[in-house]
Amino acid sequence: EDKVVQSPLSLVVHEGDTVTLNCSYEVTNFRSLLWYKQEKKAPTFLFMLTSSGIEKKSGRLSSILDKKELFSILNITATQTGDSAVYLCAVGRGFNKFYFGSGTKLNVKP
Amino acid sequence: DGGITQSPKYLFRKEGQNVTLSCEQNLNHDAMYWYRQDPGQGLRLIYYSQIVNDFQKGDIAEGYSVSREKKESFPLTVTSAQKNPTAFYLCASSIRRTGDEQFFGPGTRLTVL
Repeated sequence: EDKVVQSPLSLVVHEGDTVTLNCSYEVTNFRSLLWYKQEKKAPTFLFMLTSSGIEKKSGRLSSILDKKELFSILNITATQTGDSAVYLCAVGRGFNKFYFGSGTKLNVKP
Repeated sequence: DGGITQSPKYLFRKEGQNVTLSCEQNLNHDAMYWYRQDPGQGLRLIYYSQIVNDFQKGDIAEGYSVSREKKESFPLTVTSAQKNPTAFYLCASSIRRTGDEQFFGPGTRLTVL
């Protein structure tokens, strides 16, 4: 059975801390892994990863995929209160079918 | 402004009634999707459509129906056959028919009374 597991389920940090969010998966016919940020309602796209070992970076956020060990991490450095959200990991199986993890809820305190 | 709109934001319905959720996009995207999100769970795919007049079942299509008569529109009908319809429903679109980099609408929260 295909599954995507995110950890931790929730996390509380203070501004300026660095956090690492984890996503492990068991999905047949892997195509891609995507990270989304969901603040209130609509998830917003962060990264798409398809190749192992290549880091994607956008400002304070970065992500990397390990296709051998079947996991990805999302790093956020120098966290800000605006980073508080639920972070979703989704793994694409073939075309158009994506399996989402239950998310990691990040709370950044001032 | 380009984007995806969903209406209504909140919807209440009585058991046994069908209800249709609207999803419209002006991004000129070919592919559109419907997901359901329950508390503490990830999004689950209900239906998707890669082109007009074509759509495919996702993992939890039972009790739902869709149509894709126009590129911009992908309405979802929640029928009385859906046993547990109370949930948050998200519509998404993607310029790529593979579904990568999906853009999501603001969602509709459906409550069955």
